[in-house]
Amino acid sequence: AQTVTQSQPEMSVQEAETVTLSCTYDTSESDYYLFWYKQPPSRQMILVIRQEAYKQQNATENRFSVNFQKAAKSFSLKISDSQLGDAAMYFCASDMRFGAGTRLTVKP
Amino acid sequence: EADIYQTPRYLVIGTGKKITLECSQTMGHDKMYWYQQDPGMELHLIHYSYGVNSTEKGDLSSESTVSRIRTEHFPLTLESARPSHTSQYLCASSEWQGASTGELFFGEGSRLTVL
Repeated sequence: AQTVTQSQPEMSVQEAETVTLSCTYDTSESDYYLFWYKQPPSRQMILVIRQEAYKQQNATENRFSVNFQKAAKSFSLKISDSQLGDAAMYFCASDMRFGAGTRLTVKP
Repeated sequence: EADIYQTPRYLVIGTGKKITLECSQTMGHDKMYWYQQDPGMELHLIHYSYGVNSTEKGDLSSESTVSRIRTEHFPLTLESARPSHTSQYLCASSEWQGASTGELFFGEGSRLTVL
């Protein structure tokens, strides 16, 4: 089974600055997807960005991008120009398994 | 907006009662999941299903049971609720992406309190 590890329980960023959330994973699969999900306080979990493992190019969605290092099994999320609405729990996921989450605080 | 629905959203119930948390999706997804999550904490996979008549236990041992008689419906049942069952239960579904799991779509959750 896949395992996903997030080693940053909490992170803080100043509004308009950039922050990077870390994630490592382990899988025996050769073809897989990796995901970052966002869970705002008391709200629904939603997808932020996905990466297909066979693609070397890092995925980008507006202010969100990933740094995918397949050999190192690393999958970090970079949030640029942070906004107050980015404050949430962020979960890294592989298949149906999730990391422990990182709580992101955005300071005005 | 994801088409996956959970009821009830909130439930307060006494010890020993039987409860069923409902989860339905209209996306035709084969794979469905139940997670247990305390507020602001990590998600624990408790059950999943690959399709009709398929149910599997997840990573976290749970006294709950599930069934999958129809593609769109994946209810979770606790025969005798206890205070230790107090938590939020999240239902999700996904489609296959080749041999892998695609994006998970989540319901809004069912917050259970057992007195």
